[in-house]
Amino acid sequence: AQKITQTQPGMFVQEKEAVTLDCTYDTSDPSYGLFWYKQPSSGEMIFLIYQGSYDQQNATEGRYSLNFQKARKSANLVISASQLGDSAMYFCAMREWTAAGGTSYGKLTFGQGTILTVHP
Amino acid sequence: DGGITQSPKYLFRKEGQNVTLSCEQNLNHDAMYWYRQDPGQGLRLIYYSQIVNDFQKGDIAEGYSVSREKKESFPLTVTSAQKNPTAFYLCASSISIGEGTDTQYFGPGTRLTVL
Repeated sequence: AQKITQTQPGMFVQEKEAVTLDCTYDTSDPSYGLFWYKQPSSGEMIFLIYQGSYDQQNATEGRYSLNFQKARKSANLVISASQLGDSAMYFCAMREWTAAGGTSYGKLTFGQGTILTVHP
Repeated sequence: DGGITQSPKYLFRKEGQNVTLSCEQNLNHDAMYWYRQDPGQGLRLIYYSQIVNDFQKGDIAEGYSVSREKKESFPLTVTSAQKNPTAFYLCASSISIGEGTDTQYFGPGTRLTVL
């Protein structure tokens, strides 16, 4: 089963409008973290926002907010007032605790990504 | 400026050759990671290191090797045993593994092409 599912291969939005990028996850770990990254055409992965599984409030960072619905296991990214520079690939990722080599570490698993195109 | 640097940006290799990708960070992070990204795909973990002189295999370690002799540096060697090495390679670091938000920050990547 997919740990992280991003069902939208591509999304289009008009400049200055809001857009929601979907992400659902699957875990039995009670303690986990959810991340969103932006990858422009240059290739670098840019951290956008983080939500912990125990956080009561939805995370916000400037124009980015995370719509966290724990019971539905969804962590959608909302970008408000879209800009042309927001055009990029967006990845949802989940951190779970994993045992390896006698220690545990927070393993990050990425979804397949959503390509966002902002039209002027 | 603090950050992660990777070199070279583009790398071409002939079949049967080993190549080493450089990753350096000056963020004073303990943990470092190597990921592979294939076209249209998400990232897959190759190796990670929690501390100097220690590293662990990730999901797709076969055909790769790493070293962690210095806190700042985590080079990745793509050996001739890697069957399909053409890909985009990303290095990342975090303050520590699994604590707090433990956000991973990424370098600009190296695009490896096998001729």
